[in-house]
Amino acid sequence: EAQVTQNPRYLITVTGKKLTVTCSQNMNHEYMSWYRQDPGLGLRQIYYSMNVEVTDKGDVPEGYKVSRKEKRNFPLILESPSPNQTSLYFCASSGWTGAEETQYFGPGTRLLVL
Amino acid sequence: SQELEQSPQSLIVQEGKNLTINCTSSKTLYGLYWYKQKYGEGLIFLMMLQKGGEEKSHEKITAKLDEKKQQSSLHITASQPSHAGIYLCGADIGAGTASKLTFGTGTRLQVTL
Repeated sequence: EAQVTQNPRYLITVTGKKLTVTCSQNMNHEYMSWYRQDPGLGLRQIYYSMNVEVTDKGDVPEGYKVSRKEKRNFPLILESPSPNQTSLYFCASSGWTGAEETQYFGPGTRLLVL
Repeated sequence: SQELEQSPQSLIVQEGKNLTINCTSSKTLYGLYWYKQKYGEGLIFLMMLQKGGEEKSHEKITAKLDEKKQQSSLHITASQPSHAGIYLCGADIGAGTASKLTFGTGTRLQVTL
């Protein structure tokens, strides 16, 4: 079954304590992205990756890092989390079948930074 | 200002009625994506439109892209309770793929019995 998995699904942490949210896809997609979703602000892109070792900033990259060492994994790293990073985070992957592009989203990670 | 405007912001329709949601971009569209989201859950990709005039369907949901107006419309025929949720549009405004997208703020749809 095609899927994007994220872990953990829920996380409560404290300011300054480094954390990593993992993302993995089983579709051999080249493109992967991270988003955060906040009330009133909608879904905003944090980082994206067009292939292994190729990453680029989205609209709100400050305070986040990513890496893409293998095609299937795209972890999101918060080196020093702050309360304004409390949010719902989604990972997504996208790929092409012929002329059609499809996307899959993970189930989300709800993060609370105290 | 929002690059992608969705209207209406919320909608309540009676089961069986048709409805339309619009998504208008302030920039040139290279691709337009539609999604459905249940509250607090991940997005479900519905369809992608690339060319002006293109129209696609997914079950009872049809979307069309008007390149000149930089707008897309999502139409649901004979709505059912299962259609309830938040509908989001996403636009590729230059990267050529869904890897870099900007999103509208969503349309919340309720379907009453």
